Amino acid sequence: GQSLEQPSEVTAVEGAIVQINCTYQTSGFYGLSWYQQHDGGAPTFLSYNALDGLEETGRFSSFLSRSDSYGYLLLQELQMKDSASYFCAVANQAGTALIFGKGTTLSVSS
Amino acid sequence: DAGVIQSPRHEVTEMGQEVTLRCKPISGHDYLFWYRQTMMRGLELLIYFNNNVPIDDSGMPEDRFSAKMPNASFSTLKIQPSEPRDSAVYFCASSFSGGIQSSYNEQFFGPGTRLTVL
Repeated sequence: GQSLEQPSEVTAVEGAIVQINCTYQTSGFYGLSWYQQHDGGAPTFLSYNALDGLEETGRFSSFLSRSDSYGYLLLQELQMKDSASYFCAVANQAGTALIFGKGTTLSVSS
Repeated sequence: DAGVIQSPRHEVTEMGQEVTLRCKPISGHDYLFWYRQTMMRGLELLIYFNNNVPIDDSGMPEDRFSAKMPNASFSTLKIQPSEPRDSAVYFCASSFSGGIQSSYNEQFFGPGTRLTVL
């Protein structure tokens, strides 16, 4: 089956950089996705990595190492509005649905 | 587009009652997913459909849970009878595959239904 591990909580201050790690075990691998969820809201898509390396989208970047079954989400120039839960996700064995990690709650303080 | 629409947004019911959650996916999307989110278990995939056909319901916790998708614009998740441990936020999500199976396909989530079973 598919399983993912990520830290439950991370804290940081405004303007800082934070990295949220994710390790996974899968039967077949199609790529690693990241979603953001604000308290009381719905998950929203942030990024997707199918190949090794770093993908940058504004202040957010996502990294994947397939050989290490490892990825991370990097958030730069943190803002208060970045306080949210961040989920990594991998596809199921059929490659048609996502299995989510338990999520990492990021708290940004001033 | 209005995005994925779910109703009701909040539901409070008593143990033993039937609960029906509704979802309207984004027009043109061919995949529809039902998730349950709790603090203890996180975001769990319950069941998903492709072109209105159930593909995998292995995440449905018990026979008390059932889901249908009678057409491309409507799906229901029913719990009968409901129990207090069913209390959670239930999300519906949809995605467009373009005929190519890929986990790259961004999933669009609805606002969720917060279910409380007393």
